[in-house]
Amino acid sequence: GAVVSQHPSRVICKSGTSVKIECRSLDFQATTMFWYRQFPKQSLMLMATSNEGSKATYEQGVEKDKFLINHASLTLSTLTVTSAHPEDSSFYICSAGEAGLGWAEQYFGPGTRLTVT
Amino acid sequence: GDSVTQMEGPVTLSEEAFLTINCTYTATGYPSLFWYVQYPGEGLQLLLKATKADDKGSNKGFEATYRKETTSFHLEKGSVQVSDSAVYFCALSEGDYKLSFGAGTTVTVRA
Repeated sequence: GAVVSQHPSRVICKSGTSVKIECRSLDFQATTMFWYRQFPKQSLMLMATSNEGSKATYEQGVEKDKFLINHASLTLSTLTVTSAHPEDSSFYICSAGEAGLGWAEQYFGPGTRLTVT
Repeated sequence: GDSVTQMEGPVTLSEEAFLTINCTYTATGYPSLFWYVQYPGEGLQLLLKATKADDKGSNKGFEATYRKETTSFHLEKGSVQVSDSAVYFCALSEGDYKLSFGAGTTVTVRA
């Protein structure tokens, strides 16, 4: 099946710094990628949807200037958490969809644990 | 808006026991319904899906039936194994790529 990777798997950063998380589709071209955030013992919350070559669409309540998303190619999307604060500590998950697979046929990455100290 | 409610865990079972995880939904239209599974250290994987009322999704011994009258999509397995230990998420989609997830249910199966 299709594989989506994320890097890094864990990252610890100091408050005020920025951190970049990469999401790659390894064996297919992802026309659409999604970024989710998961709090402990809670569900995945969709943060934004990005299509290759266009600006991301952010969900209500998500600060687009804080969570910068770039989907520069059909195999790579990045999420940059700018000026991170401890409340940004969370589990970030990306998923990728391939054109023609049908809606909701998303493939999920293993997630990135961000800890802001 | 769309929402999914699933039973809280954690659920702990013995091998060969019967598993049921309840899931109900609220949607404005006619959503497609999904169960995703997340094994330890891995990403979410699609377990099964149903796209219209009365459809039954099945995979790896798991089944769920799309019940429009009760707005439910309960997950069942007749005889669980230790390898079924995972977090299970119920989700819906109303025709685009967006998925709305339930809170997840942690299932632990003991030998």
